[in-house]
Amino acid sequence: DTGVSQNPRHKITKRGQNVTFRCDPISEHNRLYWYRQTLGQGPEFLTYFQNEAQLEKSRLLSDRFSAERPKGSFSTLEIQRTEQGDSAMYLCASLKSDPDTQYFGPGTRLTVL
Amino acid sequence: GQQLNQSPQSMFIQEGEDVSMNCTSSSIFNTWLWYKQEPGEGPVLLIALYKAGELTSNGRLTAQFGITRKDSFLNISASIPSDVGIYFCAGTGNQFYFGTGTSLTVIP
Repeated sequence: DTGVSQNPRHKITKRGQNVTFRCDPISEHNRLYWYRQTLGQGPEFLTYFQNEAQLEKSRLLSDRFSAERPKGSFSTLEIQRTEQGDSAMYLCASLKSDPDTQYFGPGTRLTVL
Repeated sequence: GQQLNQSPQSMFIQEGEDVSMNCTSSSIFNTWLWYKQEPGEGPVLLIALYKAGELTSNGRLTAQFGITRKDSFLNISASIPSDVGIYFCAGTGNQFYFGTGTSLTVIP
């Protein structure tokens, strides 16, 4: 399968703990996006990378959130000092350019107790 | 962030019926995409539209990119139980913006 993969699929953590999620995009796609989705809502943009460069960050992305894509391939999203409000589905998508089309991974469901 | 106006919010239909849903925006978009999402999974791309006025089909699904570039619709013909899910539209300008979703229930 050459689609977008995300790990872990589910994460349960206690408030105050740090968590890290990984996304492996489709190999020939150079843009990678992170979204957060809560129940009953569409995905909300968090940040995106063009190769290894983080080009845009949403105001939703507090300083407890950090994302990296060190070699322009996989990406990690870390949340420090998790809060109950961080509970959501975190989605990664990679983009095929010209024309722009996004393909999503299966998501990581985070539950903060 | 910006979200598109998607309607209806939910639909309950009999198997075999046709379904129509649409998205509108105050902004012009270059691309419209339609996704289906099932519980606990990421959205799966159904149809991509790249030109104003474009009408594209994918099996029983048909979608159109509005002439004004501010709207799009998705039709599903002869619905079946496995069509159940949440359908999202997405429009792209500088970013991708998503609709709030249409939840579809198909009653056998």
